[in-house]
Amino acid sequence: QKEVEQNSGPLSVPEGAIASLNCTYSDRVSQSFFWYRQYSGKSPELIMSIYSNGDKEDGRFTAQLNKASQYVSLLIRDSQPSDSATYLCAVDQGGKLIFGQGTELSVKP
Amino acid sequence: NAGVTQTPKFQVLKTGQSMTLQCAQDMNHNSMYWYRQDPGMGLRLIYYSASEGTTDKGEVPNGYNVSRLNKREFSLRLESAAPSQTSVYFCASSRTGRVGSNEQFFGPGTRLTVL
Repeated sequence: QKEVEQNSGPLSVPEGAIASLNCTYSDRVSQSFFWYRQYSGKSPELIMSIYSNGDKEDGRFTAQLNKASQYVSLLIRDSQPSDSATYLCAVDQGGKLIFGQGTELSVKP
Repeated sequence: NAGVTQTPKFQVLKTGQSMTLQCAQDMNHNSMYWYRQDPGMGLRLIYYSASEGTTDKGEVPNGYNVSRLNKREFSLRLESAAPSQTSVYFCASSRTGRVGSNEQFFGPGTRLTVL
């Protein structure tokens, strides 16, 4: 079983819709969770971090964490074509990050 | 602030050649990391340095060595390059490795091809 799992996609949504990206992890003691955005040919860019159960909102982005279910998600409201990228989920494991393989998001005008 | 910088941006090596990838950060971070990214494999940790003077192996350390030269700089060395080391290499840094200060910030990457 992979330690951090994401649907590889591609996930296609129309412009203006809500994009929902999901991630599950296997290490129950993990305490830090991150979402990165990576445009093709570029480096990962941190967009959200979350440490406590519940929701954390930043602009159009909302991260949701449920430690009991070992599940973290990212919602992107009012999706724009510029949101088209690969989204990487990362989970802390003893001071190191374990990354999922990423979900490719395509926002269609 | 430049953040995390990496040199070179691109490199082509022949099998058996050696090279060093350079990484520097100007954010006064204590922890630094080297990753490789391959299609279908995601980002995998090669080595990391939790603080100046310490280095530890990550998931895929074979064929690599690292040096934490000072607080700012963390280099990755390939002693005898192999085609399997063709990849994109990213350096990252974080304030610490502890919860609440372990957000990692990435450099632009080095695209390495080994023929």
